[in-house]
Amino acid sequence: QQQVKQSPQSLIVQKGGISIINCAYENTAFDYFPWYQQFPGKGPALLIAIRPDVSEKKEGRFTISFNKSAKQFSLHIMDSQPGDSATYFCAAIGGSNYKLTFGKGTLLTVNP
Amino acid sequence: DAGITQSPRHKVTETGTPVTLRCHQTENHRYMYWYRQDPGHGLRLIHYSYGVKDTDKGEVSDGYSVSRSKTEDFLLTLESATSSQTSVYFCAIRTRGSGNTIYFGEGSWLTVV
Repeated sequence: QQQVKQSPQSLIVQKGGISIINCAYENTAFDYFPWYQQFPGKGPALLIAIRPDVSEKKEGRFTISFNKSAKQFSLHIMDSQPGDSATYFCAAIGGSNYKLTFGKGTLLTVNP
Repeated sequence: DAGITQSPRHKVTETGTPVTLRCHQTENHRYMYWYRQDPGHGLRLIHYSYGVKDTDKGEVSDGYSVSRSKTEDFLLTLESATSSQTSVYFCAIRTRGSGNTIYFGEGSWLTVV
C-alpha cells in the first residue's frame, strides 16, 4: 500500500518555466509534509516543508501548495534553472516516532 | 549535513557474508533511521531508533538487524547478504527543537555479488 503517491515520474521543463510536482496521501495522521531534493550520488536534502494548517508556503523560487480536504500537496518551482535538475521527493510524517513516508520521486530535467 | 557520517561509503561483498554499515552522528540526536533507496521504489524505511537500545522495524526490515549501544552510533547489519540487498543505504537523524526536520547522510553504496 503506497501511502504517498507522487506524479509525474519524470518532467522536462525549459529554462525559465514552471515545474510542478504533485503528491497525494491517504493517512490523515500525517501532520508534516517535507520535500527533498536529491542530486546524483548525494543524500536527499530538505528543500521546503509545510504543515496542514497552512495552505501555501513560499521560499524563494520554491512554493508548496497544500489542499487538506483533497489530501494533496504540490511543489512549484518558478523560473526553473538547469541547476534545479535533480530528483524531487515528497514525503509525509505522522505519529510519535516521526517516520518519513516517501513518494517514489520525480526526475526533473531543466533544459537550457 | 547535520553531523552525519556513514561508513563505508562503498562496499562490494559476496552473497552470504555478513555486512555492517555504520551511521555516526556528533550532535546527540535521539532519533536515527536507516533507509534504502532503489529505482522505482523511492526511499523505504528499514529500521529506526528512538534512543539507546530502543529500536523498531520499518516497512522493509526482513534480512536486516540494527543496534544502538550509544547515542552517536546506529549500526545496520545484513546477517547474510543477498543480491536483493544491493542498494544505496541512507542514514537519517531527526534534529531537536526543529519540529519534524529529518536530515540524511551521504549514503552507503552496497553491491552484493
